[in-house]
Amino acid sequence: NAGVTQTPKFRILKIGQSMTLQCTQDMNHNYMYWYRQDPGMGLKLIYYSVGAGITDKGEVPNGYNVSRSTTEDFPLRLELAAPSQTSVYFCASSYTPEGPNEQYFGPGTRLTVT
Amino acid sequence: GNSVTQMEGPVTLSEEAFLTINCTYTATGYPSLFWYVQYPGEGLQLLLKATKADDKGSNKGFEATYRKETTSFHLEKGSVQVSDSAVYFCALNNFNKFYFGSGTKLNVKP
Repeated sequence: NAGVTQTPKFRILKIGQSMTLQCTQDMNHNYMYWYRQDPGMGLKLIYYSVGAGITDKGEVPNGYNVSRSTTEDFPLRLELAAPSQTSVYFCASSYTPEGPNEQYFGPGTRLTVT
Repeated sequence: GNSVTQMEGPVTLSEEAFLTINCTYTATGYPSLFWYVQYPGEGLQLLLKATKADDKGSNKGFEATYRKETTSFHLEKGSVQVSDSAVYFCALNNFNKFYFGSGTKLNVKP
């Protein structure tokens, strides 16, 4: 049981390049989330998904896209990288329908855009 | 709306000192409350949780009590260790959306 895995761990992009951050969970969780964490700051929700085929915007969605074709995978796409997207990105998942559903986090992807 | 406010850090303590990190929240309905811990270079890990008023969450010597009357969920530990040095996040879950505080960095000196 690997939990939530993310790849890559580190990446440096040039302005205008694109990339996909991968996220996979093996816990059969319905809910998946993408957050960014800027230095010294808390987490900001980028996008989330309540199940395969369903995604919705979070607090800071501009410049990103997501898809959820399977329960396990929730990739995050950056189309035109900008320096403002330099951050650490965390993927998380949780199971619901009822009760307190804690989130399980991946180890993060540290992205630098120069 | 929903939001979490926690005390700013960093908090610097000597080993075996008493720890309190304050957390207050604003929410509609009846949220669940959580404390997460983030060690350097790692993702967040659940530390403890509470699901309803007056519940006490506890783990690894840390405790927090869900106080609906004061909308608070303060984190406490009676005797901190150097290994407790990390960033601590208070969070709430309301209608399956999570809201995180900005984090409080704890430094414990030997």
